[in-house]
Amino acid sequence: SQKIEQNSEALNIQEGKTATLTCNYTNYSPAYLQWYRQDPGRGPVFLLLIRENEKEKRKERLKVTFDTTLKQSLFHITASQPADSATYLCALDITGQGGKLIFGQGTELSVKP
Amino acid sequence: ETGVTQTPRHLVMGMTNKKSLKCEQHLGHNAMYWYKQSAKKPLELMFVYNFKEQTENNSVPSRFSPECPNSSHLFLHLHTLQPEDSALYLCASSQGRGRETYEQYFGPGTRLTVT
Repeated sequence: SQKIEQNSEALNIQEGKTATLTCNYTNYSPAYLQWYRQDPGRGPVFLLLIRENEKEKRKERLKVTFDTTLKQSLFHITASQPADSATYLCALDITGQGGKLIFGQGTELSVKP
Repeated sequence: ETGVTQTPRHLVMGMTNKKSLKCEQHLGHNAMYWYKQSAKKPLELMFVYNFKEQTENNSVPSRFSPECPNSSHLFLHLHTLQPEDSALYLCASSQGRGRETYEQYFGPGTRLTVT
């Protein structure tokens, strides 16, 4: 069956360290992969998009990698801050035509001062 | 503020009631979406509208009825819901579908409780 799995446990790290979140998928061949941030009681907010022919994408302290052979994306937050505490969602665009996103269950990140 | 608004933010309704959720986007997008988010479960895509036409119905029960009168407005009409339909209902919008994927902009959601 088709599955998307993110870090099953919540991730707790110390301020200033690098947080690494994992998104693994099976039985999909996504053309694109997106990462979102969601705070409690609010809608997800788009962070980064990476295409299947891109290995890495960066935006300020954020970095995303996409390995279509391993069927995995890694999401890194460098120099983490308590304000980075939130749930992070990965989403696959499996059609390559835009619109239909399949979301993972999310990883809850907590950055302690 | 994402440019996508949803009303009401909270709704409590009985199983025999009829209510509607409203979504409005001020971003000039052509695609709009309804998602359901239950506790500890991934976001579930319910409906997709592109240029006012429904292009996706993800096997949603008929007690949920979407309406898209124009590219800026999206409604979700609810009737005879079940307690298991209690969830956060999120609306999103994006540029129109094509040969590219686009990021989605989400509203704050409507927290629905069915009693």
